[in-house]
Amino acid sequence: AQTVTQSQPEMSVQEAETVTLSCTYDTSENNYYLFWYKQPPSRQMILVIRQEAYKQQNATENRFSVNFQKAAKSFSLKISDSQLGDTAMYFCAFMKEEGKLIFGQGTTLQVKP
Amino acid sequence: DTEVTQTPKHLVMGMTNKKSLKCEQHMGHRAMYWYKQKAKKPPELMFVYSYEKLSINESVPSRFSPECPNSSLLNLHLHALQPEDSALYLCASSQDRYGQKFAAQYFGPGTRLTVL
Repeated sequence: AQTVTQSQPEMSVQEAETVTLSCTYDTSENNYYLFWYKQPPSRQMILVIRQEAYKQQNATENRFSVNFQKAAKSFSLKISDSQLGDTAMYFCAFMKEEGKLIFGQGTTLQVKP
Repeated sequence: DTEVTQTPKHLVMGMTNKKSLKCEQHMGHRAMYWYKQKAKKPPELMFVYSYEKLSINESVPSRFSPECPNSSLLNLHLHALQPEDSALYLCASSQDRYGQKFAAQYFGPGTRLTVL
């Protein structure tokens, strides 16, 4: 069975600094997608970034980028120039072929002024 | 436009009440989902509709009854709930579960349900 592990329950970072959130997953499949979702205290789940497993190039979205290591089954999220609005719970998620999302337990990120 | 709307935002109901949650999307997505989320936990999948047909039921108790009247609407009918059913209920949609197997899911803001 596929599993997603986020080993950092809580993290904090100073405004304008860079932070990296870790995620590892376990699967025997070769074709899959990985996602990072953000859920601020207002509770709306927002898609941050996605990565296709067959692509070697790491995905980037403005200040957000991933380090995808397929062999190591690692999918970390880097947030550059952290902003107060980045304070949220971040979920790493793995998508199985039939469209089911498997979430990690989440990392609560606090950006401090 | 990646908007998924949900109503109501908050709902308080007794264990004998019947209520419904509503979800709507106008992005032309053909797959819609219901999730249940407890505080500080990841969402748990409940149901998946693909092309208006129920395709996945994650062994959800029958007191939760989903309905997909058309490709833009998704309802969740609630009856005889228990206090432990209190949670945030999230709706999501994605473009096409078969044409694009790995389409990203876009979430609504959720309905905060409290069962007394």
